Amino acid sequence: DQQVKQNSPSLSVQEGRISILNCDYTNSMFDYFLWYKKYPAEGPTFLISISSIKDKNEDGRFTVFLNKSAKHLSLHIVPSQPGDSAVYFCAAISGYALNFGKGTSLLVTP
Amino acid sequence: DAGVIQSPRHEVTEMGQEVTLRCKPISGHNSLFWYRQTMMRGLELLIYFNNNVPIDDSGMPEDRFSAKMPNASFSTLKIQPSEPRDSAVYFCASSVNQGDRYEQYFGPGTRLTVT
Repeated sequence: DQQVKQNSPSLSVQEGRISILNCDYTNSMFDYFLWYKKYPAEGPTFLISISSIKDKNEDGRFTVFLNKSAKHLSLHIVPSQPGDSAVYFCAAISGYALNFGKGTSLLVTP
Repeated sequence: DAGVIQSPRHEVTEMGQEVTLRCKPISGHNSLFWYRQTMMRGLELLIYFNNNVPIDDSGMPEDRFSAKMPNASFSTLKIQPSEPRDSAVYFCASSVNQGDRYEQYFGPGTRLTVT
């Protein structure tokens, strides 16, 4: 049973615009959330995280928003760059295990 | 600073053969995880070690799968005998618990094909 869901398998955005990737979860015990970026033939790379006690965390062009009441988080990338084209995974932790969504493939076009 | 190292990067084997995947975690990390990625199920946790001790192996598919961590710098995942449905990408990840930070760092993965 998928506890973390990324309902959009793909997203295409023009360079310079904002990319918004969404993630929903069902387990209210999750207390830490992460976003990973994955290129083909590589392992997932940690991007940004947020604790459940916060509602926003920003790191450069990347911002993660958490809405606990809606059990929803989103990753904003501004401005988007062609090098951001990759698969983005949302993950949530309760305890030690990372529960991953199935990923959203982002394509940033010039 | 080396990240998580996995070997081999690719493995092709015949059904029934034994397969051993290897992982070297990041130095100083005390937690190690083995994950499997398939199209159908995405990324799923197989087993978790803390301080070289297996804590949770509930994700290991069946008795054909076993994992060991003889010391802090090395872990193996073994499949014996292998079956075609074991074909997947296997990732090793490591982490160190620091207050409220729980980031796991992944290796490049081993792509296993069982024919």
